[in-house]
Amino acid sequence: QSVLTQPPSVSGAPGQRVTISCTGSSSSIGAGYHVHWYQQLPGAAPKLLIYGNTNRPSGVPDRFSGSRSGTSASLAITGLQAEDEADYYCQSYDSSLSTVVFGGGTKLTVL
Amino acid sequence: QVQLVQSGAEVRKPGASVKVSCEASGYTFASYDINWVRQAPGQGLEWMGWMSPNSGDKGYAQKFQGRVTFTRNTSISTAYVEVSSLTSDDTAVYYCAKEGRGRNLDFWGQGTLVTVSS
Repeated sequence: QSVLTQPPSVSGAPGQRVTISCTGSSSSIGAGYHVHWYQQLPGAAPKLLIYGNTNRPSGVPDRFSGSRSGTSASLAITGLQAEDEADYYCQSYDSSLSTVVFGGGTKLTVL
Repeated sequence: QVQLVQSGAEVRKPGASVKVSCEASGYTFASYDINWVRQAPGQGLEWMGWMSPNSGDKGYAQKFQGRVTFTRNTSISTAYVEVSSLTSDDTAVYYCAKEGRGRNLDFWGQGTLVTVSS
């Protein structure tokens, strides 16, 4: 059971918009700790996609965006492409556990 | 460019230990913490802990306290994780990752598969 809760799977057709939610608690996201998102392509290491809730590292397309509100955060992907098919993980910090915490991951399928 | 290059796949018997290395390049190794994350087959990411290459300070996720040890050799910009008393539940890909600002993990190693099997 992950400290951060994500839907196991989402799907969308090419060109569509999808969102992935990440729900934490008052000791993690709700306490103001930053949320970061990672993309893991099949057979590859995770790659930082969004950091500090809303920021994109250099080279990440602006089709990817992040937001945070209260005890939750979201990753939005617009203009879906086949190459976006991957697992996506959110990550934050939990002060009651004093640990970095990950969501359970969401598998994105491009139909 | 920042690179983290990990050692190759390992196979161990239950009860044995394994040590995985992570060689950093392209940045000042001592200036950023290294985190270790593992991923069991078909499962999600599991944070194991962190280490400061500069001070040697470290922190472990409670699950791994007493069975996992982080070390480093700053002269060769390399971090290590050692896992002892291995069981089949430790079969996983082990990743090292450089920590950026705000506790994000901005660069990752390629991963090292550790298989525990009798």
